[in-house]
Amino acid sequence: NAGVMQNPRHLVRRRGQEARLRCSPMKGHSHVYWYRQLPEEGLKFMVYLQKENIIDESGMPKERFSAEFPKEGPSILRIQQVVRGDSAAYFCASSPPGQGALMTFGSGTRLTVV
Amino acid sequence: AQRVTQPEKLLSVFKGAPVELKCNYSYSGSPELFWYVQYSRQRLQLLLRHISRESIKGFTADLNKGETSFHLKKPFAQEEDSAMYYCALWGAQKLVFGQGTRLTINP
Repeated sequence: NAGVMQNPRHLVRRRGQEARLRCSPMKGHSHVYWYRQLPEEGLKFMVYLQKENIIDESGMPKERFSAEFPKEGPSILRIQQVVRGDSAAYFCASSPPGQGALMTFGSGTRLTVV
Repeated sequence: AQRVTQPEKLLSVFKGAPVELKCNYSYSGSPELFWYVQYSRQRLQLLLRHISRESIKGFTADLNKGETSFHLKKPFAQEEDSAMYYCALWGAQKLVFGQGTRLTINP
């Protein structure tokens, strides 16, 4: 089992471009969580998804950010028109149904906006 | 709303000395608490959870509901314990993390 796979590990975008971050959950895991870690801060919850369903997006900024977890393929966190303040590490975690408390984290994607 | 507070951003102790990383929480329901560790350039890993009452790598943590605390302790620190440590609370279908404490063990 390869664990939670995130790619790319590092992503550099110019202001105004779009960033797409991908997360492939562990085999057998159908629940995905996205967290953001700003410099010198802890991990902040962004969104919780199940296949084809957004369960809780209370931590997502109201504009420019969206997430999906399609029936087939990885979960995608999409940031449109990136700004310098979006520079952060974005972590994905996955869990089996009903075991969210035991989520497993990926290695993260470090986004740098220049 | 749930909240986790780790009052120390940085903690430095000498090898062999006792370590205590503080964590306080706020939650109206019955809490489920965790400690995660992140070694340099590695992913976040679960260190321990309060309901299992295990000791992992010599670390223990006891849930004190009266003081709403879940402090992480180790009697004798080792250099390989240097890392970022995060306290987290599971509630409302998500993990809420504290700000983290960077622990440095000096030789």
